Amino acid sequence: DAMVIQNPRYQVTQFGKPVTLSCSQTLNHNVMYWYQQKSSQAPKLLFHYYDKDFNNEADTPDNFQSRRPNTSFCFLDIRSPGLGDAAMYLCATSPQKRGETQYFGPGTRLLVL
Amino acid sequence: EDQVTQSPEALRLQEGESSSLNCSYTVSGLRGLFWYRQDPGKGPEFLFTLYSAGEEKEKERLKATLTKKESFLHITAPKPEDSATYLCAVVPGSQGNLIFGKGTKLSVKP
Repeated sequence: DAMVIQNPRYQVTQFGKPVTLSCSQTLNHNVMYWYQQKSSQAPKLLFHYYDKDFNNEADTPDNFQSRRPNTSFCFLDIRSPGLGDAAMYLCATSPQKRGETQYFGPGTRLLVL
Repeated sequence: EDQVTQSPEALRLQEGESSSLNCSYTVSGLRGLFWYRQDPGKGPEFLFTLYSAGEEKEKERLKATLTKKESFLHITAPKPEDSATYLCAVVPGSQGNLIFGKGTKLSVKP
């Protein structure tokens, strides 16, 4: 089945230690998104790629970076995680353009010690 | 300002007791309204997309409807496995990002 895959499902890191989260998709969708979701809150968009074009949300901290080496893969890098970065990180895709239905992966739960 | 409000925040139902979840929105034009189901510790699962007032979509025990100001997710004869948080999101006409509501946490007791 075509899907959005996130690895790892759970990630533990230390305060200030860089961490990378991975997302891959077999849907061949053009747009990929990264969201942060904290407990009992709505998902918050961090950035998205429209094909190779990177789009950062205005309030996304500089601590968060992303890479999309090809259509299938997208990475979220947190350069110096703080305790406040502990959250669920969700990857999503949409077929051709923004505004279309987004399909989410299972998420990566990040714990910062 | 574009805004999505979901009510109630939490809803407890007995198995078989039908009810509705509400999503009211204020946006500058509407490109689409989306319903998702989210189980604890998992990513949102897509349920429905609605584009214009009067549109309705159904899937098993769920039916989503849309007016110019709000959407309802009707749950008919719910079962315990329907317990989850239901998220509503809209895409305003002015931009392409999803704007989420805070969700309704549904619990269905046997």
